[in-house]
Amino acid sequence: EAQVTQNPRYLITVTGKKLTVTCSQNMNHEYMSWYRQDPGLGLRQIYYSMNVEVTDKGDVPEGYKVSRKEKRNFPLILESPSPNQTSLYFCASSLSQGAHEQYFGPGTRLTVT
Amino acid sequence: GEDVEQSLFLSVREGDSSVINCTYTDSSSTYLYWYKQEPGAGLQLLTYIFSNMDMKQDQRLTVLLNKKDKHLSLRIADTQTGDSAIYFCAESSQDSNYQLIWGAGTKLIIKP
Repeated sequence: EAQVTQNPRYLITVTGKKLTVTCSQNMNHEYMSWYRQDPGLGLRQIYYSMNVEVTDKGDVPEGYKVSRKEKRNFPLILESPSPNQTSLYFCASSLSQGAHEQYFGPGTRLTVT
Repeated sequence: GEDVEQSLFLSVREGDSSVINCTYTDSSSTYLYWYKQEPGAGLQLLTYIFSNMDMKQDQRLTVLLNKKDKHLSLRIADTQTGDSAIYFCAESSQDSNYQLIWGAGTKLIIKP
């Protein structure tokens, strides 16, 4: 089944404790991205990657890191999480940057206390 | 920067038509999209329209585009309880390398 998976689905952590949210797709998509969703603000892009070893900042990259060592994986790293990073995070992938359909993972709800 | 705006909530009775509206500012928009987010799930593409089209119909869904007013709408005929979701409008343009600009989402509430 074609899908985007994210882990964990839920995470509660404390300020400053490094964490990684994994994202994997099995559709051989070139383009992957991370979004955060906050009430009333919709989706804001954090980082995106157009291919292996090619990543770029989105609209809200501060406090996040990503890597794209393999085509299928695109982990999101929070080196020192803060409470303002409490949010719902989505990973998405598509054939290319201009492709019409993005496929979204199920989301990771992160709470930083 | 460019912006996409939507109302945050819409309440309709089961069986009625729902019309979700969206306005955008990018005059060079090429594609406009509607995504659906069901509770506890990721977003799924519902439909999209190319900017040189006025209307697109797909079963119970009708998309209308008024390019002059930069207004997009999604009409859902015979709204059912399964249509309860958040509906996101998004646009992209060649000028911005097809990066999607998202609205805040409209939560559709179905009354029995």
